[in-house]
Amino acid sequence: AQRVTQPEKLLSVFKGAPVELKCNYSYSGSPELFWYVQYSRQRLQLLLRHISRESIKGFTADLNKGETSFHLKKPFAQEEDSAMYYCALSDRNQFYFGTGTSLTVIP
Amino acid sequence: DGGITQSPKYLFRKEGQNVTLSCEQNLNHDAMYWYRQDPGQGLRLIYYSQIVNDFQKGDIAEGYSVSREKKESFPLTVTSAQKNPTAFYLCASSKDSKVYEQYFGPGTRLTVT
Repeated sequence: AQRVTQPEKLLSVFKGAPVELKCNYSYSGSPELFWYVQYSRQRLQLLLRHISRESIKGFTADLNKGETSFHLKKPFAQEEDSAMYYCALSDRNQFYFGTGTSLTVIP
Repeated sequence: DGGITQSPKYLFRKEGQNVTLSCEQNLNHDAMYWYRQDPGQGLRLIYYSQIVNDFQKGDIAEGYSVSREKKESFPLTVTSAQKNPTAFYLCASSKDSKVYEQYFGPGTRLTVT
């Protein structure tokens, strides 16, 4: 069963515009949710996790248990944000990744 | 940029041959994972190991095998039984089985013809 859904395969925004990458999950317990990012020619790396409630590179993500969502947001997109973004859920034994969203920030 | 390494970066094999992908980590992590990454399908878990000499099947384990004889190493063998072996394979590790964060290797692109 698909536990993590990222409905957008591709997303393009102009530089300076707000960006939101959607993530919905299916999990009966209390999930631990993460966003991973893969920049061109770099390895996949952790961007942020919901338990930290942190902002990394201007990105934030709020866990909405009512809507079972964990959308990634940034108020002003930058060209260096262009990358592949994966939402992931951990059930403390393994990770479940979404299919990813490729973000392109247009100069 | 050490930590977790995979070799080789590119691998080519003939159909019907088994091939082993290497994954090594020097992070002293207990848990290690193998994923397959295909376009449009994200990362899918093949096998994972939470401790030495123990491992579990992931969502797509058929046609693959692993071993975990040492904490640092978690090799993946793609057998001839795997119907679509051509893919990008990612290895990851995490500090413990609670899986708070995974660290990924650079990946191996396997092409089987």
